[in-house]
Amino acid sequence: DVKVTQSSRYLVKRTGEKVFLECVQDMDHENMFWYRQDPGLGLRLIYFSYDVKMKEKGDIPEGYSVSREKKERFSLILESASTNQTSMYLCASRTFGIYGYTFGSGTRLTVV
Amino acid sequence: SQQGEEDPQALSIQEGENATMNCSYKTSINNLQWYRQNSGRGLVHLILIRSNEREKHSGRLRVTLDTSKKSSSLLITASRAADTASYFCAINNDYKLSFGAGTTVTVRA
Repeated sequence: DVKVTQSSRYLVKRTGEKVFLECVQDMDHENMFWYRQDPGLGLRLIYFSYDVKMKEKGDIPEGYSVSREKKERFSLILESASTNQTSMYLCASRTFGIYGYTFGSGTRLTVV
Repeated sequence: SQQGEEDPQALSIQEGENATMNCSYKTSINNLQWYRQNSGRGLVHLILIRSNEREKHSGRLRVTLDTSKKSSSLLITASRAADTASYFCAINNDYKLSFGAGTTVTVRA
């Protein structure tokens, strides 16, 4: 089975900290995605990457950046964490020709 | 983005009953997908229906798509306690998926 692993299940950070959320997939998928999920708003796309070293802005990229130096790893970076970035963050991957996404278990981030 | 919107927001049914939820969207699509999320976990892909398909089945799941009305429905038959989860439709028309806010389904024993 394809696995998408997010490094932390729960994370508490302070306002202003630089935060790294890591996502690793083990099935050589080309596409990777970062979403945040908030009650009543569903999932909103932050950034995505079609392939290694490529990145594209999603619908809500402000306050975030990403890095994809290796195909299997896609990192989400909160440059200076703020309380409005408290959320559930979900990473997903997909390979060309297969439309369904495989999701990680999520990282619940609290910024205090 | 072209989000899907699910209806109802929440649904409570007895074990053994059927659960139906709907999804509406605003633009043209390549395909529409349904996902399940168990409490506080990641999403699991359930079923995909392409824009040229009208109905699809997978086990106890039945999905319909009406592109003229820009709507889809997901039917879960003979529900079980393990079906308690949130269900999301996702619109795909440019390699990205846009999700709605989901329908929360509670199956009572």
